Amino acid sequence: AQSVTQLDSQVPVFEEAPVELRCNYSSSVSVYLFWYVQYPNQGLQLLLKYLSGSTLVKGINGFEAEFNKSQTSFHLRKPSVHISDTAEYFCAPPNKLIFGAGTRLAVHP
Amino acid sequence: GAGVSQTPSNKVTEKGKYVELRCDPISGHTALYWYRQSLGQGPEFLIYFQGTGAADDSGLPNDRFFAVRPEGSVSTLKIQRTERGDSAVYLCASSLSIGNNEQFFGPGTRLTVL
Repeated sequence: AQSVTQLDSQVPVFEEAPVELRCNYSSSVSVYLFWYVQYPNQGLQLLLKYLSGSTLVKGINGFEAEFNKSQTSFHLRKPSVHISDTAEYFCAPPNKLIFGAGTRLAVHP
Repeated sequence: GAGVSQTPSNKVTEKGKYVELRCDPISGHTALYWYRQSLGQGPEFLIYFQGTGAADDSGLPNDRFFAVRPEGSVSTLKIQRTERGDSAVYLCASSLSIGNNEQFFGPGTRLTVL
């Protein structure tokens, strides 16, 4: 079975600063991973996904993530955040989407 | 095209009452998922359907919870004898099929049990 761990429950950052949200996985089988975002009072939407191929995955809103097999990680990054990026971010495997508690990104002016 | 819709958007009920929450998936999506999200928590898996059958109901917390999808499209989550601890946002999602497909989420139904 596949599981993920998001190490940071909250990440405060100033506008236009870079950000990294960490996700580590454990799996004995092929790895597929998604990042979902939940904006305040909205439903979840897919940010990006890794299924196979290139380990650097680009998503919506300028986010990207790199699948790193040696470090068993799939960290989410953005070089310059905006106030509108304030949201809850979830790393999860597909199918049942076993979510962790998520990481709350709070962007301050 | 229309996304996943859920009705009602808000439901307030009294302890002990029965409630039904409805989910309309995206047309053509054979897989449908139910989650529950409490304040400050990530979504918690409840059950998912492939077509009309429940492929995995291991997340249902107890036998007061039941879900159906009789025609392989609309699904209803039913909660009997509601308790205050059932208060949460109930999320529905659909995907083309089970597997590694993206799940599209509805806006959720906020259930409050008084």
